[in-house]
Amino acid sequence: SQWGEENLQALSIQEGEDVTMNCSYKTYTTVVQWYRQKSGKGPAQLILIRSNEREKRSGRLRATLDTSSQSSSLSITGTLATDTAVYFCATDMSGGNYKPTFGKGTSLVVHP
Amino acid sequence: EAAVTQSPRNKVAVTGGKVTLSCNQTNNHNNMYWYRQDTGHGLRLIHYSYGAGSTEKGDIPDGYKASRPSQENFSLILELATPSQTSVYFCASGDNRGSDYTFGSGTRLLVI
Repeated sequence: SQWGEENLQALSIQEGEDVTMNCSYKTYTTVVQWYRQKSGKGPAQLILIRSNEREKRSGRLRATLDTSSQSSSLSITGTLATDTAVYFCATDMSGGNYKPTFGKGTSLVVHP
Repeated sequence: EAAVTQSPRNKVAVTGGKVTLSCNQTNNHNNMYWYRQDTGHGLRLIHYSYGAGSTEKGDIPDGYKASRPSQENFSLILELATPSQTSVYFCASGDNRGSDYTFGSGTRLLVI
């Protein structure tokens, strides 16, 4: 498997709290991409961070990448109930045309 | 608005029957992908395509065929459906670098 065990997570928090989700991967990747999947929907792209970047922000979202430890994190500040979803990270080992491999995800429940 | 549309949204098939899942994208992406999503396994890649007329095997291709007759359309074919193929199937389209990667809303397939 491409993924470390810490990818299997479930988090439950209150609205307004900040949260950080982590994923670790075992082999080289050119990018790490974070996705969010709400119940009954397809995954939606959130942030893509490339191997030469350490941090990327988008609104309340912040992704980090540490290639030396082969790990990435996604932080959400000031969570909302609408952030309730499963969050996946994905890596690309293809070295060419993008072909992502997905982790199993972190289930996040934000209580209003 | 650019999108990935899957049909049907729900399908009940009988064991041994033929099932075709369709996917259409208006993103003008070269790449298209078929995944299945099962509890405990996350998203697993079945087949993908880097352009019209080409298909490649993903991580779990057994029991599935794919067809990419045009830039916009990518089909997944189950020639002899089995109950183990009961799952939610997602189609996605993407550019070569992963900067733009869009999923459809999924097809829920039940094989009885």
